[in-house]
Amino acid sequence: QSVLTQSPSVSGAPGQRVTISCTGNSANIGAGYDVHWYQHLPGAAPKLLIFNNNYRPSGVSDRFSGSRSGTSASLAISGLQAEDEADYYCQSYDSSLSGVIFGGGTRLTVL
Amino acid sequence: QVQLMESGGGVVQPGRSLRVSCAGTGFIFNDYGMHWVRQAPGKGLEWVAAISYDGRHQNYADSVKGRFIVSRDTSSNTMYLQMDSLRPDDTAIYYCAKTDLKYCSKTPCLQSSFDSWGQGTPVTVSS
Repeated sequence: QSVLTQSPSVSGAPGQRVTISCTGNSANIGAGYDVHWYQHLPGAAPKLLIFNNNYRPSGVSDRFSGSRSGTSASLAISGLQAEDEADYYCQSYDSSLSGVIFGGGTRLTVL
Repeated sequence: QVQLMESGGGVVQPGRSLRVSCAGTGFIFNDYGMHWVRQAPGKGLEWVAAISYDGRHQNYADSVKGRFIVSRDTSSNTMYLQMDSLRPDDTAIYYCAKTDLKYCSKTPCLQSSFDSWGQGTPVTVSS
């Protein structure tokens, strides 16, 4: 059971907007620790999509955006494309575990 | 460009040891903290261990503490994960990842994002 909770799956049609949520508690997201998001395609290296809650690395499409509020964070993907079909993970720090934590992952299906 | 290349994975019996490596190129390896992250079959990403830019500080997930040791060799730009007393639930693809924070150590290394990852090396623990 992951400390950060993500819905196992989400789906949307091409062109639509989807949101993936990541819920933590007062020892991690609620304590103000930054949230980062990764895209993971089967057989590939995970790719950093969003760092420090809402910043995009150079080269990442502006269709991807992130936000954090309270004990939760969200990743929004607009203008869905077939190539967005992948697993998405949130990551943060947990002060009670003194370590890095990942969400359980959300599989995005583009219909 | 930044490249991370893992090696050393394989099949090992329960209770035995294995060492996996991560070679970094395209950046000043000794300036950045590094991490190991694994993914068991059908499961999500799990953080395993971290080492500071200078190798002086290490952190471990509870699931591997006391069995795994992370180290780095500044002369060869390589990070290692020595895995002892391996168990079947250690079966996973092991990825190395680079922090995006220069000169990080201890907690800042654990709070930073991972801006580059390797392709992973598979480890199977089975009799």
